[in-house]
Amino acid sequence: QKEVEQDPGPLSVPEGAIVSLNCTYSNSAFQYFMWYRQYSRKGPELLMYTYSSGNKEDGRFTAQVDKSSKYISLFIRDSQPSDSATYLCAIARISGYALNFGKGTSLLVTP
Amino acid sequence: GAVVSQHPSRVICKSGTSVKIECRSLDFQATTMFWYRQFPKQSLMLMATSNEGSKATYEQGVEKDKFLINHASLTLSTLTVTSAHPEDSSFYICSASGGQITDTQYFGPGTRLTVL
Repeated sequence: QKEVEQDPGPLSVPEGAIVSLNCTYSNSAFQYFMWYRQYSRKGPELLMYTYSSGNKEDGRFTAQVDKSSKYISLFIRDSQPSDSATYLCAIARISGYALNFGKGTSLLVTP
Repeated sequence: GAVVSQHPSRVICKSGTSVKIECRSLDFQATTMFWYRQFPKQSLMLMATSNEGSKATYEQGVEKDKFLINHASLTLSTLTVTSAHPEDSSFYICSASGGQITDTQYFGPGTRLTVL
């Protein structure tokens, strides 16, 4: 079993829709959760990071962590065509820095 | 802030040659740098972790004699792919961290390596 599972999609939504992206993880030792956005042939760009269960909001983005279920989510409100990219969840153990990445979900927002 | 650069962005080389990729943190001191490899439509796979002034820690299955990593300063790490072969063709991405446990990793733009 991989440490981080993420549905690769692709996910296609109309402009303005609410997007929900999810990952599950297997080891409760992971305490540090991130979402990255990666455009084609570019390096990942950090969107959100959090260390605790609950919600964290930043503009149109909300990161949600449920440690009891080992489930993390990223919500994008009022999605725009410019949000079309691959979204990667990443987790880390509290005692180290190496990230475990999900496979990434490819998102397409159509005008 | 938190800008990481990589050079070159693309490189094409012949089989058997060595290629060096540089990763620089432009506006912060990176005590820890990471090197990842990403195949098409795949996620990032950690290759190694390097701390400034010490030897890199390689992930299982990554040949340390083939992928030489040097982290000589707080702003520069290099990855040298020695005796490259076509199967080494990939997208190599570095990231840098300030080293504090709450620091995040900031990624470079990646280097596309093609070995003919």
